[in-house]
Amino acid sequence: DTGVSQDPRHKITKRGQNVTFRCDPISEHNRLYWYRQTLGQGPEFLTYFQNEAQLEKSRLLSDRFSAERPKGSFSTLEIQRTEQGDSAMYLCASSLVQVQETQYFGPGTRLLVL
Amino acid sequence: AQKVTQAQTEISVVEKEDVTLDCVYETRDTTYYLFWYKQPPSGELVFLIRRNSFDEQNEISGRYSWNFQKSTSSFNFTITASQVVDSAVYFCALSSAGGYQKVTFGTGTKLQVIP
Repeated sequence: DTGVSQDPRHKITKRGQNVTFRCDPISEHNRLYWYRQTLGQGPEFLTYFQNEAQLEKSRLLSDRFSAERPKGSFSTLEIQRTEQGDSAMYLCASSLVQVQETQYFGPGTRLLVL
Repeated sequence: AQKVTQAQTEISVVEKEDVTLDCVYETRDTTYYLFWYKQPPSGELVFLIRRNSFDEQNEISGRYSWNFQKSTSSFNFTITASQVVDSAVYFCALSSAGGYQKVTFGTGTKLQVIP
């Protein structure tokens, strides 16, 4: 399978704990996106990387959130001091920079903060 | 600001019926892309189609067809002869054509196909 993969698929944590999610994009894709999806809503953009550079962050991304893509391949999304409001599905997508760009999504990491 | 409206929250149809999912969008961009994604219960968003704003030709792919009407800012999706496997949440989405692709999604339409 050469699609976008995410790990873990599910995470349950207690409020105040830190969590980290990983995304492995399609191998030749140089753009990587993170989205958050809450119940009954569509995905909302959080941030995006082109290669290793983080070029845009949504105002949804509070100071407790940090994302990295150190070598321009996989990416991590860390949430510090989790809150119950952070409970959501975190989706990663990747794409290839070209005239007609299409993002391909991973299966997501479902986070539940107790 | 960009906005995508999917007014139908949930739709139920009996297998083999045709069903149309509505999508209305707002954008100030003159050039943009429209998308449909399918999200089955497993959670993964599956890309279905991308349409460029300058191409208003309708498209058919098997049982799926898309009707893009720029005059009414609509991009509707029809499934012909629905099947149980079509049961999923369907998202319409919009992005600017220039720069990186910050995609704005609608709230989705949950389709249930009853056997």
